[in-house]
Order: sequence, then C-alpha cells, then structure tokens
Amino acid sequence: EAQVTQNPRYLITVTGKKLTVTCSQNMNHEYMSWYRQDPGLGLRQIYYSMNVEVTDKGDVPEGYKVSRKEKRNFPLILESPSPNQTSLYFCASSSSRERHNEQFFGPGTRLTVL
Amino acid sequence: AQSVSQHNHHVILSEAASLELGCNYSYGGTVNLFWYVQYPGQHLQLLLKYFSGDPLVKGIKGFEAEFIKSKFSFNLRKPSVQWSDTAEYFCAVRGNNRLAFGKGNQVVVIP
Repeated sequence: EAQVTQNPRYLITVTGKKLTVTCSQNMNHEYMSWYRQDPGLGLRQIYYSMNVEVTDKGDVPEGYKVSRKEKRNFPLILESPSPNQTSLYFCASSSSRERHNEQFFGPGTRLTVL
Repeated sequence: AQSVSQHNHHVILSEAASLELGCNYSYGGTVNLFWYVQYPGQHLQLLLKYFSGDPLVKGIKGFEAEFIKSKFSFNLRKPSVQWSDTAEYFCAVRGNNRLAFGKGNQVVVIP
C-alpha cells in the first residue's frame, strides 16, 4: 500500500531534549516536505527536499533541521525543542516528475514540549 | 513567495444547504491549485486540483471548484452538504516548487 508513515504519532517531551521525528514513503517520490499545523494558522512549511541531499528552508525553518540521505526517508530534527514548537506535524511527499501532482500526507505527529 | 487567503474561518450550516468557500492567492507565475480536506483526527486528503484546461474542476464527494484567473481565485462549492462533510478545508497553491496553504475553513454541518 502506497503511504507516508511518521513516528512517533504522539510525543511529550521537555524543553531542550533533542528529538527526531521520522518520515518514510514507499512511493519512490523525489519531493518530501515537513509542515506544522497550528489552530488558526493552517499549515506552514518548515523544510522541503527536492531529492536526495537537496534540502531547502520553507516558511518557518527556525529551530528545525532535516536531512535527506535516502530517497525514502526525511527525518525532522529538533536539536533543542521549546514550548512554541508544540504543534501537529505532517510529512508529505510527491513526485517531482509532474508539476501538478498532489502531495500525499502522513498521519501526523502531535508534539508537546513542556 | 505565494500566499493564500481563505475567509470565514468557521462555517456552520444545516444538511442539504449549499456550501461555498472562498480562496484567493497571490503569485505572479504559473500555479497549480488544490483543495484538501481534513476530517476530525485524520490527515489531509486531496479533494480536487486544477493545473490547466477547464477552469471548472470536479472532485470527490460532489465537490467542485472554479478557477478564475482574473480574480486569482479558486472557490470550492458543494450544492448540498451532508453531516459527513464536517471537516476542515484547506486551499493550497503550488508555485516555484513550494506548496503554500491557506489558514483553513472549519466547516460544521448540523444534521
């Protein structure tokens, strides 16, 4: 089954404790992206990747890092989480071969930083 | 960078009523336009998309949207809503390899 998976689905942590949220897709998609969703703000793009070893900042990259060492994986790293990073995070992927292809979203990771 | 505006964040209506959600965007180049739906507790799913051709696009579950280039708009419509249409709806614009979302419309359909 074609899908985007994220782990963990729920995470409660404390300020300053490094964490990684994994994202994996099995559709051989070139393009992957991370978003955060906050009430009243919609989805805002954090980082995106056009292909392996190619990443770029989105609209709200501060406090986040990403890597794209393999095509299928695109982990989101919070080196020193802060309470303002409490949010719902979505990973998404799409094929770059057709510009109008829609993005496929993962199930989301709800992060709480105390 | 492109931006997307959605108005009337909260919409409450009765079953069988008609629904129209506005979406306006700003971007100078060629765009692809999308409407996504997020049912309670779920991830985003594509409702419909426009990339070229007929500006009236039909999607799943009876939804349709019309692209009006001169108004930079891509409004979503459904003639008769059902209780199961209760969800949050997001308009998105793809340009320059980036996908920008609006802030969403929370739609509640009362049985």
